[in-house]
Amino acid sequence: GAGVSQTPSNKVTEKGKYVELRCDPISGHTALYWYRQSLGQGPEFLIYFQGTGAADDSGLPNDRFFAVRPEGSVSTLKIQRTERGDSAVYLCASGRDRFYGYTFGSGTRLTVV
Amino acid sequence: SQQGEEDPQALSIQEGENATMNCSYKTSINNLQWYRQNSGRGLVHLILIRSNEREKHSGRLRVTLDTSKKSSSLLITASRAADTASYFCATVQLYNQGGKLIFGQGTELSVKP
Repeated sequence: GAGVSQTPSNKVTEKGKYVELRCDPISGHTALYWYRQSLGQGPEFLIYFQGTGAADDSGLPNDRFFAVRPEGSVSTLKIQRTERGDSAVYLCASGRDRFYGYTFGSGTRLTVV
Repeated sequence: SQQGEEDPQALSIQEGENATMNCSYKTSINNLQWYRQNSGRGLVHLILIRSNEREKHSGRLRVTLDTSKKSSSLLITASRAADTASYFCATVQLYNQGGKLIFGQGTELSVKP
């Protein structure tokens, strides 16, 4: 597609539930990034995929967070046993490589109640 | 953790005036990028400056980079009400092969008509 698509745009879930957030990057972009942004803060890096593999997952806060990109295109961020502190906007970005800017999606606003 | 620090945190100006935002970072970089964000959702890439460049222009935007001081500035000339947004600098560290961006806290710009 023309841009990075993220679904859903908003997600409200109960504490302890499992959620999946989807990112559909720009066709042909091999690099895909997930970020998390809390109110009033800059985006915080979570994980980076180059193709199908997670090349850098150093930003995942704990083992409740997991992400996949099985065919090198669409990626899913999975959060188990959600906590209220997981509430944030989750942003996905894709790009050609590190020498160019990245295209961000509009994000998924996750609210854990 | 955030690498960049931006100054000021908030800036309010009149339409037609110039807006200058500053960014400082801590480690050696491959490149530095500026992004704009409206209403806390998707970020839009504005401009990328490489570590061996000192100044770059794009329309009404002018970015400078001083690697000796580990700082950058973004100048928006002849501002418009539509420039009202949050502006973030983000760096790609020198030896990071994955190209992950490390964001600052952002500057909130308000342009009054």
